[in-house]
Amino acid sequence: NAGVIQTPRHKVTGKGQEATLWCEPISGHSAVFWYRQTIVQGLEFLTYFRNQAPIDDSGMPKERFSAQMPNQSHSTLKIQSTQPQDSAVYLCASSPGLGGLSQNTLYFGAGTRLSVL
Amino acid sequence: GQQVKQSSPSLTVQEGGISILNCDYENDMFDYFAWYKKYPDNSPTLLISVRSNVDKREDGRLTVFLNKSGKHFSLHITASQPEDTAVYLCAAGEGGGSAKLIFGEGTKLTVSS
Repeated sequence: NAGVIQTPRHKVTGKGQEATLWCEPISGHSAVFWYRQTIVQGLEFLTYFRNQAPIDDSGMPKERFSAQMPNQSHSTLKIQSTQPQDSAVYLCASSPGLGGLSQNTLYFGAGTRLSVL
Repeated sequence: GQQVKQSSPSLTVQEGGISILNCDYENDMFDYFAWYKKYPDNSPTLLISVRSNVDKREDGRLTVFLNKSGKHFSLHITASQPEDTAVYLCAAGEGGGSAKLIFGEGTKLTVSS
């Protein structure tokens, strides 16, 4: 079990460019989450999918950010027209969704550090 | 507003002592509560979790206490060790049909030898 895999580990973009972040959840996990981590805000929820369907995107900035899960083996977070304030570590996590306490256990990937110059 | 709040950004405890980490929440609908541990440059990993039908859960040196009326939960680490030094994040969720977790800002625990 390789755990949650995120690529790239580091991404540097210029202001106004697009950034696409990739996540491969743990095989068999039904839920996939995206979080953003900054020193100021801590770990902020962005969005999550269950069985590939978008469930809750209440944390996503309304403009420029979008997430998709085209199949059960990967999800993407896309940021258009990146701004310096988008600089953060973006964490993907998956959850088994088997019921009981394990339903809510999040297994995080190593994250993608996005730097917008 | 911050739905889950850790008011202490840092805590220092002597080796062998008890570390007590606190978390307050606002949402009455939360019924799942967890503590995650994060080492520098690593991602958070689950330490212990409880549902609201219990007010205490023990696992080795770890105990979670839940006070629903006070909207407060805490993590007690007995016999603290230097390897317990890390950032501890509390998290809460509504459970049921929602698997979303809201995290606190974190408390940096330092266990000094």
